[in-house]
Amino acid sequence: ETGVTQTPRHLVMGMTNKKSLKCEQHLGHNAMYWYKQSAKKPLELMFVYNFKEQTENNSVPSRFSPECPNSSHLFLHLHTLQPEDSALYLCASSFSLRGGYTFGSGTRLTVV
Amino acid sequence: AQKVTQAQTEISVVEKEDVTLDCVYETRDTTYYLFWYKQPPSGELVFLIRRNSFDEQNEISGRYSWNFQKSTSSFNFTITASQVVDSAVYFCALTRLGGSNYKLTFGKGTLLTVNP
Repeated sequence: ETGVTQTPRHLVMGMTNKKSLKCEQHLGHNAMYWYKQSAKKPLELMFVYNFKEQTENNSVPSRFSPECPNSSHLFLHLHTLQPEDSALYLCASSFSLRGGYTFGSGTRLTVV
Repeated sequence: AQKVTQAQTEISVVEKEDVTLDCVYETRDTTYYLFWYKQPPSGELVFLIRRNSFDEQNEISGRYSWNFQKSTSSFNFTITASQVVDSAVYFCALTRLGGSNYKLTFGKGTLLTVNP
């Protein structure tokens, strides 16, 4: 366990489905992040939340909808995804830079 | 704009060899942090080191060492006497210093394979 828990670990969904990814941390961190990791590409920052407020939306398509009900939980709601959205979605949290980010193990998403 | 370049896409070595992973960065900020992360096959990114731009001292931690050269904007990572368990993707990353949100800019990663 890394301190940041992501569920599910694997998800296969059709293009018309609606699903949600969940991220949870009890490290007392104030900021939470969603990153997308596609093959052969750098990790891409998607969203940033600080004290439950969204502070960054990195030009992410509206078919990805984040939700942060409290400082410990972060969701990524998915609907009408495309096959190119298949990737590893990583959640991270931070409080200070003493230890950098803490990442979860990711959700491996496959869109069919 | 910030940019991190890891020119080595894949490296393959035999166990006990030393290996250096290169990282070159670009930033207009005068104060910033540099990181290295390890991503084993299980997927999570494991924090290895943080270095701030004020501190150019090299660091050694067991078999790992890091060489920060501000003059060449490089932050290279060396594994001495590599082991099979070192096989992973290694990412170099950069963020500006200060503020409450820390948006990391990552390189594309270097896949290291250590063969027995």
